Amino acid sequence: GAVVSQHPSRVICKSGTSVKIECRSLDFQATTMFWYRQFPKQSLMLMATSNEGSKATYEQGVEKDKFLINHASLTLSTLTVTSAHPEDSSFYICSARVGEQGYGYTFGSGTRLTVV
Amino acid sequence: GESVGLHLPTLSVQEGDNSIINCAYSNSASDYFIWYKQESGKGPQFIIDIRSNMDKRQGQRVTVLLNKTVKHLSLQIAATQPGDSAVYFCAEDLYNFNKFYFGSGTKLNVKP
Repeated sequence: GAVVSQHPSRVICKSGTSVKIECRSLDFQATTMFWYRQFPKQSLMLMATSNEGSKATYEQGVEKDKFLINHASLTLSTLTVTSAHPEDSSFYICSARVGEQGYGYTFGSGTRLTVV
Repeated sequence: GESVGLHLPTLSVQEGDNSIINCAYSNSASDYFIWYKQESGKGPQFIIDIRSNMDKRQGQRVTVLLNKTVKHLSLQIAATQPGDSAVYFCAEDLYNFNKFYFGSGTKLNVKP
């Protein structure tokens, strides 16, 4: 089946530094990927849609300068949390659509970011 | 056992019983819905999906029912097993843009 590999699974960084999270589709091409964040015991919140070869589209209230998304190839999307602060600590998850008809979406295993 | 979504975010059932997890969605124009399972510390795992032109779809031990009149989804799990313990989310393709918005989730506890 279609697999999305997300790295790192856990990262701890100092406040003010930047962290990059990678999301790779291993056995399929993903023109569109999605980035979510999830706080403890809460649901997933869509942050942005990553489009290969074009700018990402962000959901309302998500700072595009804070959360930089790059989708430079059909198999790789990256999310960079810039100038991280403790309130950015969260579980970040990517997903990709499998197939052209919109059927089936697969998720990465998530990245636990802790900003200290 | 049966959940009622936001009013009962945790559902406890005995192993072997059937489980019903409910979800209300927001947009009557949503075209596509998915149920996901999420275990602690992991990403969501696809369970089953359904299009708005269907009212029922069956998978292995799972059935999704869609009631468009009242904008309601349910996930039925037959013969619930301890490995089914997780948080279950429904998600809707809110604007038919092929991106998903998740419900608040229901935690399923299966007692051996």
